[in-house]
Amino acid sequence: DTAVSQTPKYLVTQMGNDKSIKCEQNLGHDTMYWYKQDSKKFLKIMFSYNNKELIINETVPNRFSPKSPDKAHLNLHINSLELGDSAVYFCASSLDTNQPQHFGDGTRLSIL
Amino acid sequence: QKEVEQNSGPLSVPEGAIASLNCTYSDRGSQSFFWYRQYSGKSPELIMFIYSNGDKEDGRFTAQLNKASQYVSLLIRDSQPSDSATYLCAVNRLGNNNDMRFGAGTRLTVKP
Repeated sequence: DTAVSQTPKYLVTQMGNDKSIKCEQNLGHDTMYWYKQDSKKFLKIMFSYNNKELIINETVPNRFSPKSPDKAHLNLHINSLELGDSAVYFCASSLDTNQPQHFGDGTRLSIL
Repeated sequence: QKEVEQNSGPLSVPEGAIASLNCTYSDRGSQSFFWYRQYSGKSPELIMFIYSNGDKEDGRFTAQLNKASQYVSLLIRDSQPSDSATYLCAVNRLGNNNDMRFGAGTRLTVKP
């Protein structure tokens, strides 16, 4: 039933490791997003993906790479994890650009 | 100047009162405006969206937009303790799906 689902819900790992977060939406939406919410609860867009076009926020380090095998999935791969990567990562989707977005439950990433 | 500004709060209102949440934005090219509610430890949930100047009502919620003043607000009538959450204002430019900017959020507490 879940419209936007992310896995895992929690991710605890050590600095330097590589990890992936998966996201799937069953809403038939054309656009998907990744957001980072830091400890101050500020929500910042990282990527959006629409019709095979990837738009990257220029402030995102290239250690972060989104991968979309199809329209319903947008996974996030992170290389060489750093302490500052600790945050909650939200996946979202929308029918089209500029439409309301539906968020997944988030993945809480903790770097030891 | 921050792109999207909100009073961080906390804003406290008694049960049954009207809660007024305010948001200003700096980019005059902004075309779409959203209010999300986020409970602690949960994902953002869409409350309202508005594209045109004026008021838009949905149940106990009213969104107000004034593009000339670059101001958008959310009124919650008959506030309930279950409305206690952080409210996020989000602003997007038309056709630019990677330009969604969120405010830092206003924490609302409704006291019984």
